[in-house]
Amino acid sequence: DAGVIQSPRHEVTEMGQEVTLRCKPISGHNSLFWYRQTMMRGLELLIYFNNNVPIDDSGMPEDRFSAKMPNASFSTLKIQPSEPRDSAVYFCASSWTGGGYTFGSGTRLTVV
Amino acid sequence: AQSVTQLGSHVSVSEGALVLLRCNYSSSVPPYLFWYVQYPNQGLQLLLKYTSAATLVKGINGFEAEFKKSETSFHLTKPSAHMSDAAEYFCAVSSNNNAGNMLTFGGGTRLMVKP
Repeated sequence: DAGVIQSPRHEVTEMGQEVTLRCKPISGHNSLFWYRQTMMRGLELLIYFNNNVPIDDSGMPEDRFSAKMPNASFSTLKIQPSEPRDSAVYFCASSWTGGGYTFGSGTRLTVV
Repeated sequence: AQSVTQLGSHVSVSEGALVLLRCNYSSSVPPYLFWYVQYPNQGLQLLLKYTSAATLVKGINGFEAEFKKSETSFHLTKPSAHMSDAAEYFCAVSSNNNAGNMLTFGGGTRLMVKP
């Protein structure tokens, strides 16, 4: 089992550019979560999906953020346009009902 | 609604000393409780979890935690700290609702181990 796979590991982009973060959950897991981690705010849940359906996106900071899960094996988090305050580490995690999360290694985003 | 409070954002112990990281939770339903560890530049790894079976839960790397309903606590302990235990630790609670397994995390406690 390769675990939760996120790409890219690091992303540096200029303000105003579109950024797409990718996640492949563990096969068989039915829930997928996107988190953002910063020194100031700690771990923040942005959105989560259950059986590919978005359940709660109240943590998405603004309309510039969007997430999709077109199938059980893939999800994207998009920021358009990106801003310097979006700089953070973005984690994807997956789980099955009743189990704990398995986290990916994260994408470190820097917007300059 | 559920919430987690971790007392102490930083804890420092000497190598070989007892590690105690505190976690208190609030949940309107019987909770599922978790401890995760995050090493620098890595994602979070599951240390242990409580899912209404034994109240004393043993995890990886010699850590254990005890669920105390009367105190709404789930403190993490390890008898003897090792340098490799230096990391950030997160406590989390889940109500395991039907819409998924949404976890609410505490603010984290950074453990430092002195030689």
